[in-house]
Amino acid sequence: DQQVKQNSPSLSVQEGRISILNCDYTNSMFDYFLWYKKYPAEGPTFLISISSIKDKNEDGRFTVFLNKSAKHLSLHIVPSQPGDSAVYFCAAKSSYGQNFVFGPGTRLSVLP
Amino acid sequence: NAGVTQTPKFQVLKTGQSMTLQCAQDMNHNSMYWYRQDPGMGLRLIYYSASEGTTDKGEVPNGYNVSRLNKREFSLRLESAAPSQTSVYFCASRASVREGLEQYFGPGTRLTVT
Repeated sequence: DQQVKQNSPSLSVQEGRISILNCDYTNSMFDYFLWYKKYPAEGPTFLISISSIKDKNEDGRFTVFLNKSAKHLSLHIVPSQPGDSAVYFCAAKSSYGQNFVFGPGTRLSVLP
Repeated sequence: NAGVTQTPKFQVLKTGQSMTLQCAQDMNHNSMYWYRQDPGMGLRLIYYSASEGTTDKGEVPNGYNVSRLNKREFSLRLESAAPSQTSVYFCASRASVREGLEQYFGPGTRLTVT
């Protein structure tokens, strides 16, 4: 059973509009969450993170929101740019271990 | 700074053959990881090394062995390759076990076992 779920395999957004990528988790022990971005034939690169003591973290065009009661987080990209077209992975971790659990990814296409 | 490097980039093996995937990082990171990525399944942890001299199993360790050769290098060995090990393999490193520190990934090795 997947502990981290990204239920939308793909998302298309017009350039300049907001992209919202969603992630749900089942393990209440997770207390640290990250988003990674991956281009084809490259490794994932870190985008933004949030710990469970916060409900929002912002870095430029990227904002992550965490709703602990719903076990849900989302990544907002505003405004979306064609260079944002990539696969986005949500990952979660508990303080008690080294294991980062990744979701299956969402492919974002930003259309010019 | 090259970051995390992996060799080879591509490899085709026949069932039963063995090979070692190499990974090195030049960021003086303590922790290193091996993941595999399969379609629709995200990245799954095979093995990790929290610090030089230690290794531990992850979620999918069967069929693999690892060696943390020194602080820089962490290799993954397939002793007898099987078609189920066809995947893209990523190595990653992380500064320490403290919270708040992200992983840095290599470019990946695409392995096909026929």
